[in-house]
Order: sequence, then C-alpha cells, then structure tokens
Amino acid sequence: DAGVTQSPTHLIKTRGQHVTLRCSPISGHKSVSWYQQVLGQGPQFIFQYYEKEERGRGNFPDRFSARQFPNYSSELNVNALLLGDSALYLCASSLGDLLFRVKAFFGQGTRLTVV
Amino acid sequence: AQTVTQSQPEMSVQEAETVTLSCTYDTSENNYYLFWYKQPPSRQMILVIRQEAYKQQNATENRFSVNFQKAAKSFSLKISDSQLGDTAMYFCAFMNSGANSKLTFGKGITLSVRP
Repeated sequence: DAGVTQSPTHLIKTRGQHVTLRCSPISGHKSVSWYQQVLGQGPQFIFQYYEKEERGRGNFPDRFSARQFPNYSSELNVNALLLGDSALYLCASSLGDLLFRVKAFFGQGTRLTVV
Repeated sequence: AQTVTQSQPEMSVQEAETVTLSCTYDTSENNYYLFWYKQPPSRQMILVIRQEAYKQQNATENRFSVNFQKAAKSFSLKISDSQLGDTAMYFCAFMNSGANSKLTFGKGITLSVRP
C-alpha cells in the first residue's frame, strides 16, 4: 500500500506568489493534518481536516488556507509568499480525527523555498 | 498552551551502546499523549513510541523504551543496542486528549551513532 504522498517534493517560488501543496492520505484514512517545519525546528501545526471539515487551526495568518476533497486528499494554499514561509511542509494522515493520538502517518514533505 | 522542551541539540553514541534522549513538557491537562518521532534524512516522520498519560507503566517497543515521570513532566527515550540506522533527528511531541488532535513538537535532537 502506498503511504502518504505529497507533491511536489521541492518547489521554488518568488516573494508575493501563491503556492499550492498537495497531499494524498493513505487509502482509507479520512483525516489529514498539515505541519510547517522551519529548518532547525520541530514541526508546527497548521490545519487538521476530517471528512472535509476543518477540525483545528494553528497560529498561522490568513494567508494560509486548506481544504479536503471528497476523496480525502488535501491541498494547502499559501498566498503572498514571504521569505519566512520557506520550510518543509509535512502532511500526516490517520483513520479518524481522534486516531491521530494513536498513530499518524507522515509523508516525506514538500520543501518550499521562497526567494 | 502546551510546550515541549528538548534542551540537548545533539548527541552521539557508539554503536551497540545505550543512549537516553531527554524531553520535558508543560501542560495543565491531566489526560494527554506523548510521542517520540524519528526523522531520518529522508524527512519522513516515523513514530517510535507512544505513551498515554493515564498509564503508569512505561511504554516499550523493542530496543526503545521511555521513562515517563508525570509529576516531573518528563518523558525521556532510551535506545538500547544503538544501530547505525538510528542516526536521525528525534522529536518529542505532545497531544492533549481533547477534540483537537494537534501535535506539539519540541525542537528535536540530532542523534549520531558512530560505528
């Protein structure tokens, strides 16, 4: 079975641009979470979605938005990119929203560089 | 708000020896979950071990075990018989038992296993 897949793996964008990152959860998993990992730091929670509804939001500006599709895949959108948005963006999936406390499966992330 | 502190930025251990990674956390919650995640150069976060706060018995997973001291809010990871494949970043993480399945991570520690 395929694990959590994220695309693209690497991305370079210019300040002020918009970016869309994609995540496909493990088959059967209905909950997806997004994390931002700045170099040298631990991941920080951005969003959690379950059954296409937002279940949690971290302390990120409104430039960050996300959605979950009927097939449970998810997109993270970032508008008006800043240099500080350069980071590894991780997606995690779990069977259910509360089952993240049992086990979350992470993808390999998208490395975003803003220049 | 919950915080997770990993004060050691890096550690080194000889292959086949034992190493302990430290983690402290702060919370006002009584029920919560604690995790250790491994992040190798491939960037994918891999769950190493999980502890439920209401369980007094320390969790073990093969060569990995924890020392959970709830009153001291301490959660250290012991790796026995260290292997070269254990070389990675290790993150301590916290999740409360509420509806929001947000993981709060520490800054991580770089573990190097020497041959």
